[in-house]
Amino acid sequence: AQSVTQLGSHVSVSEGALVLLRCNYSSSVPPYLFWYVQYPNQGLQLLLKYTSAATLVKGINGFEAEFKKSETSFHLTKPSAHMSDAAEYFCAVGRKRNQGGKLIFGQGTELSVKP
Amino acid sequence: EAGVTQFPSHSVIEKGQTVTLRCDPISGHDNLYWYRRVMGKEIKFLLHFVKESKQDESGMPNNRFLAERTGGTYSTLKVQPAELEDSGVYFCASSQVDRDNTIYFGEGSWLTVV
Repeated sequence: AQSVTQLGSHVSVSEGALVLLRCNYSSSVPPYLFWYVQYPNQGLQLLLKYTSAATLVKGINGFEAEFKKSETSFHLTKPSAHMSDAAEYFCAVGRKRNQGGKLIFGQGTELSVKP
Repeated sequence: EAGVTQFPSHSVIEKGQTVTLRCDPISGHDNLYWYRRVMGKEIKFLLHFVKESKQDESGMPNNRFLAERTGGTYSTLKVQPAELEDSGVYFCASSQVDRDNTIYFGEGSWLTVV
């Protein structure tokens, strides 16, 4: 079985500050991990993914995430927040590609960026 | 390359009516998924097609929901009769297994049942 927990349904940061969105997962098999972003009134866009290669994954818009097996975590970070980063972020876990692509999502974290 | 497209983008219907949502996956993607997010909840898996076959429909909430994928191309999700609790966003997604199986999502169909 797989599950995802995102700590904090709302996170607020100042423009230029560090963004840290937390995600912990549970998986009985080696996981694939994803971060998706949903901007207001838009669909889900893939930010980055971990598929068992490098543990530090770089994504679009300056975001990155580090897979830590010992902590079962896949936290999303960005060194300096921009106003345009305001959106809802979703962490998701899936199985290896030969086991199907069903994703289990976390509850989502809404990021606000203050000027 | 066109992404996953969904129609309609927004729909408002009365309780008891029928709504049909359509999804066109990325060309060449054999895997097609439906997910939904009801108000304030997490995004939940509904079902998975591989070409025209239902691979996994464990997330379908009840028999008021019917999904089809004609000829392994586009898919429809019909809700009949709609209930208030069906309101939410219905996402379609697709992927190709012989790539890295990244799942690409559409912009969603926002359904409101009144």
